[in-house]
Amino acid sequence: KNEVEQSPQNLTAQEGEFITINCSYSVGISALHWLQQHPGGGIVSLFMLSSGKKKHGRLIATINIQEKHSSLHITASHPRDSAVYICAVVSLKTSYDKVIFGPGTSLSVIP
Amino acid sequence: ETGVTQTPRHLVMGMTNKKSLKCEQHLGHNAMYWYKQSAKKPLELMFVYNFKEQTENNSVPSRFSPECPNSSHLFLHLHTLQPEDSALYLCASSQGGAVGTDTQYFGPGTRLTVL
Repeated sequence: KNEVEQSPQNLTAQEGEFITINCSYSVGISALHWLQQHPGGGIVSLFMLSSGKKKHGRLIATINIQEKHSSLHITASHPRDSAVYICAVVSLKTSYDKVIFGPGTSLSVIP
Repeated sequence: ETGVTQTPRHLVMGMTNKKSLKCEQHLGHNAMYWYKQSAKKPLELMFVYNFKEQTENNSVPSRFSPECPNSSHLFLHLHTLQPEDSALYLCASSQGGAVGTDTQYFGPGTRLTVL
């Protein structure tokens, strides 16, 4: 079982729909990141969370430390939101593999 | 130029070649990172330089050799690679400090193909 899992793996939505992407993890963490990767490879950091909720434009990220779960919500989705969304956790390990990435969720928003 | 740049954007090399990937950041950051993204696999952190000191090494094979001559430049020297090393190699930078505790800014990546 991977230490960081995301669901769904793939998601297709109609423009305007409300979208939720989930991330669950099995290790103790100090922070969690949401990243967006566009076709071609470029990655943009969306949020860094250690508790509660953050909002930026149409994007909202929440985290529940006790349940080891985070969600990324996109309101009023748009085709330009089509990308792979990656969850990454900063574990409490002191070894080299403390940053653990999820497998990503591929989102396609259709006009 | 602004942000994080990487060159080359695409590289095809044979298993006996030696090549280098270059990353440059214009953000005044103190930490720089190399990541590997293989097809169908999650991102993997390869190397971290914090204030020019390598602080973490992910037990990456020695055929990958990082170099950080100053806080703005990062290189990844490649030699005797294997076809399974074909991947997207991403550079990132951040203000610095404990890994993962601040926002990282990514370059566009170098798509490497090893024949």
